[in-house]
Amino acid sequence: GENVEQHPSTLSVQEGDSAVIKCTYSDSASNYFPWYKQELGKGPQLIIDIRSNVGEKKDQRIAVTLNKTAKHFSLHITETQPEDSAVYFCAASELRDMRFGAGTRLTVKP
Amino acid sequence: NAGVTQTPKFRVLKTGQSMTLLCAQDMNHEYMYWYRQDPGMGLRLIHYSVGEGTTAKGEVPDGYNVSRLKKQNFLLGLESAAPSQTSVYFCASSDRGGKYEQYFGPGTRLTVT
Repeated sequence: GENVEQHPSTLSVQEGDSAVIKCTYSDSASNYFPWYKQELGKGPQLIIDIRSNVGEKKDQRIAVTLNKTAKHFSLHITETQPEDSAVYFCAASELRDMRFGAGTRLTVKP
Repeated sequence: NAGVTQTPKFRVLKTGQSMTLLCAQDMNHEYMYWYRQDPGMGLRLIHYSVGEGTTAKGEVPDGYNVSRLKKQNFLLGLESAAPSQTSVYFCASSDRGGKYEQYFGPGTRLTVT
């Protein structure tokens, strides 16, 4: 089955700096790669996703890049704000079975 | 719309007790999922359903059973709780399966002593 690894497990940045979280996956058949944000005491919420026919996708301060050859994808957050502080999960999916990374706790210091 | 709701929010069980977690969604989604979340391990899929009356095993199904008698509800049962089942449980639903957005409930924190 699919195995997703996520790094780093914790990340601390100053407000206004950029943050990058990286994930690798093992199953070359995976073709859908979402990113979820989980705030304290809540369920995860989708913030951006990318499909295998696209190399990069942007949504305001958030971008995701995908390298299918190397089987890795990354989340980039620019101009970070305190409200970006949360746990972020990457995931990879082929059809029905979505596998999640272990999560990255991002702290943005004011 | 309430989205995905879970009942109860917290529960403490003794080893060997049984309980059922209820998940309800009002988005008319076909797919529903149960995950458990443990520190440092992300979300792991327990069971899922691709429609009313169907269920399938996920990555960590042992010790759990599920039922999907109605499209809007997905029940997760623990027949004989063990301390290893102490976790936060999340239910999710999706309109079109694993390659599309999943909507998560707020979670149930279960402690087995």
